[in-house]
Amino acid sequence: DGGITQSPKYLFRKEGQNVTLSCEQNLNHDAMYWYRQDPGQGLRLIYYSQIVNDFQKGDIAEGYSVSREKKESFPLTVTSAQKNPTAFYLCASSIPSSSGEINQPQHFGDGTRLSIL
Amino acid sequence: LAKTTQPISMDSYEGQEVNITCSHNNIATNDYITWYQQFPSQGPRFIIQGYKTKVTNEVASLFIPADRKSSTLSLPRVSLSDTAVYYCLVGDGSGSARQLTFGSGTQLTVLP
Repeated sequence: DGGITQSPKYLFRKEGQNVTLSCEQNLNHDAMYWYRQDPGQGLRLIYYSQIVNDFQKGDIAEGYSVSREKKESFPLTVTSAQKNPTAFYLCASSIPSSSGEINQPQHFGDGTRLSIL
Repeated sequence: LAKTTQPISMDSYEGQEVNITCSHNNIATNDYITWYQQFPSQGPRFIIQGYKTKVTNEVASLFIPADRKSSTLSLPRVSLSDTAVYYCLVGDGSGSARQLTFGSGTQLTVLP
């Protein structure tokens, strides 16, 4: 079955440490996204990528970095500059529309829950 | 920046029809309205998408008035397994995902 795989499901970070969250998709989608979700809140966009080797900042990109070297992979690094990284992180993918708009339905993974030790 | 407003929570009983309304007063001409369902500790799941009038699929209907400033997700004959958070999502009209925000959603609780 096609889908999005996020790993690990749970992750712990020490103060001052960078950690990388994995996101892999076999849906052959061009567009991929990273969101952050805090308890009782909606999803906020961190980064998105509409094509390989290209990505754009979302509304809360500070303290995060991404790469998009392969179509199927979009890893997210939570750097030590992110002072409040404890959250539920969700990766998604979609077929981009011909105009690049973001109206296409997104397919989500089951998330990685990051906590600070 | 397109902003959506939904009720924070709703309760219903099994077998009833549930309507969840979302207001999006600043929706742009080229934006679609998309609804997602999210269970605890899972990613959201796409339910339905529409641009205007009415859209129906096997799980829900979406009603959009002519001015498109609101939309209503209709779930027929809900069951306990429909207890979840429901989000409506509208693009900001810029053609960019930069300001994409799901909002806080509506917690639907289905009671036996």
